[in-house]
Amino acid sequence: DVKVTQSSRYLVKRTGEKVFLECVQDMDHENMFWYRQDPGLGLRLIYFSYDVKMKEKGDIPEGYSVSREKKERFSLILESASTNQTSMYLCASGTTSGRPDTQYFGPGTRLTVL
Amino acid sequence: DQQVKQNSPSLSVQEGRISILNCDYTNSMFDYFLWYKKYPAEGPTFLISISSIKDKNEDGRFTVFLNKSAKHLSLHIVPSQPGDSAVYFCAASLRDMRFGAGTRLTVKP
Repeated sequence: DVKVTQSSRYLVKRTGEKVFLECVQDMDHENMFWYRQDPGLGLRLIYFSYDVKMKEKGDIPEGYSVSREKKERFSLILESASTNQTSMYLCASGTTSGRPDTQYFGPGTRLTVL
Repeated sequence: DQQVKQNSPSLSVQEGRISILNCDYTNSMFDYFLWYKKYPAEGPTFLISISSIKDKNEDGRFTVFLNKSAKHLSLHIVPSQPGDSAVYFCAASLRDMRFGAGTRLTVKP
């Protein structure tokens, strides 16, 4: 059974703080993704990674960075949190072998920036 | 610019009837289309997919139809059950995945 875990379910931070969101998957998947979910906008891709130490920008990378030092772990970093980064953050993992490239999601982290 | 659009934010149907959720896309290069289901406080879970070379895929009560010329796909749920109440996301895949805004389905007993 695929498991994707995220370090926190709820997080409250202040404007300007540096925020780390951690994601761990246990299925040895090559691919990992960070999305944010906002009402009326669905899931928007922030960053993704196809391999350790590799990262690629998604649709909305501004204000975010990522780190993938180990295959199972993908971290999202908000360098200086702002109120417009209040959102639900979803991490996902998937494999490149075979299509479709089904993604498996974690439960999400609801981040509030005050 | 959203490449995948779900124009109905919500849908309400009676238990036992058919639910039809719609999705439109703009990029003709997408080669797979997927539907995900999301319950509150959980991450989305994969439901069903269809390759761009097919026009229909069926899995139990769930059927996805693809109309490539119209760049349109739909998810049919027959019969609908109260447990199907959730947010449904349409997604299109090429190298990475693009999601629609979601449709909240409510199935009333």
